[in-house]
This record gives sequence, structure tokens and C-alpha cells, in this order.
Amino acid sequence: GAGVSQSPSNKVTEKGKDVELRCDPISGHTALYWYRQSLGQGLEFLIYFQGNSAPDKSGLPSDRFSAERTGGSVSTLTIQRTQQEDSAVYLCASSLVGTSGGGSDTQYFGPGTRLTVL
Amino acid sequence: GIQVEQSPPDLILQEGANSTLRCNFSDSVNNLQWFHQNPWGQLINLFYIPSGTKQNGRLSATTVATERYSLLYISSSQTTDSGVYFCAVCRRGSTLGRLYFGRGTQLTVWP
Repeated sequence: GAGVSQSPSNKVTEKGKDVELRCDPISGHTALYWYRQSLGQGLEFLIYFQGNSAPDKSGLPSDRFSAERTGGSVSTLTIQRTQQEDSAVYLCASSLVGTSGGGSDTQYFGPGTRLTVL
Repeated sequence: GIQVEQSPPDLILQEGANSTLRCNFSDSVNNLQWFHQNPWGQLINLFYIPSGTKQNGRLSATTVATERYSLLYISSSQTTDSGVYFCAVCRRGSTLGRLYFGRGTQLTVWP
């Protein structure tokens, strides 16, 4: 399909293990975002990639979280030494131009990865 | 950041009824989106509406940017409308693309 895809759809891991979550944005979209949704915190922003610019990492909750975007397309969110409070649904979104046009355009969300840390 | 408040938090309707969901925000915005989160957790785009009025079938939305609120109208509700409705905004003037989300309105439509 033409939407944002994420993998895996579900991930169960043990406390202390590292995990990698993948996002494939809509083809041609230059902006990519990661959010997470948890019961206590609602939907919160994690990181934003705009084209080849340095990403806005200000939403990452700790230095155990990192993300990269290769070739301006696929993105990987990595969580090192997972903790139980990292359990959440991790959502990826993409938009055509992001803030490069001076505004903010429509963000389209993927189905999410449900992460459970035991 | 920017504060986003949605009301009501919960809404229970009989099929066929109409409803209005409200979103208040605390600063000027250049993006406002309404989403429907289905039972599988997928966020479905309903409207991109930083200002003005739009309609799509039984749904319509109005944003009054100068007064910092948006309304989502659902007419002739159906059971498939059930789920959580989120409003999300991006602060005007920000070079960052992040959306700030409200806590959502949980809508339940009974047959």
C-alpha cells in the first residue's frame, strides 16, 4: 500500500535488552516523526527528521533512545537497555514537506509497534 | 509547549444521534488535525484544519483560530464511529514539526 508502514507490529522483550523499531514513510515524504502512546502519558512526541537536516531530538526521554534515518527514507528507533516504563505503542508518521515551507503540513501515521518490556 | 484540551472526555450515543467534540488550544497554531483512533490503534486522518470549515460526508469540522478552538461534528452517528477522537496542533512560528495531542474523546455508539 501507499501508507506508512512499521515493523514489527508487536515486540515483547526482557528488561535490559535492546530493541529496534522500523518505519517506512510514504514515498516522497521528506519529514518523518516518531511518537509514542502510553496509558499514563497519552501521545507524546519523540523525534523529528526533516530532509537531510539534523534531527530534532528534544522529545527523546533519555539517552537510551536514539533514532536514525538512512537515505532520507527508512528510519530506525533504537531503545537500549529497555525498562518497563518503555512499554508503549511507538508510532511513526510522515509528511510531505514538514516545516520546510514555513508551515506544518498533514502528518500521516503508521499502525504502530506495540512494545512490551517484561 | 502548547496545551490542548478536549471535551467531553467520554461520550455515549445512540445510533443516529448527532454530536459535537471540542478542542481548545493555548497558543496560535499552523496545523490542527483531527484523528479517529480505531479499535486496532490506527490513527486515521479526519481533517487538516488550522482554520476555516471543512466537510467530509457525515463529518465536518470548524476551527476558529482567533479564539483558539476547533469543533468536530458527527451527524447520524453509526456504531463504526466508535473509538477515540484526538485533536493535535503544531504551534505557529515553530520550526519544529511536532504535534501536541489532546487526551482524546472516547466515543461509544450503541445500536
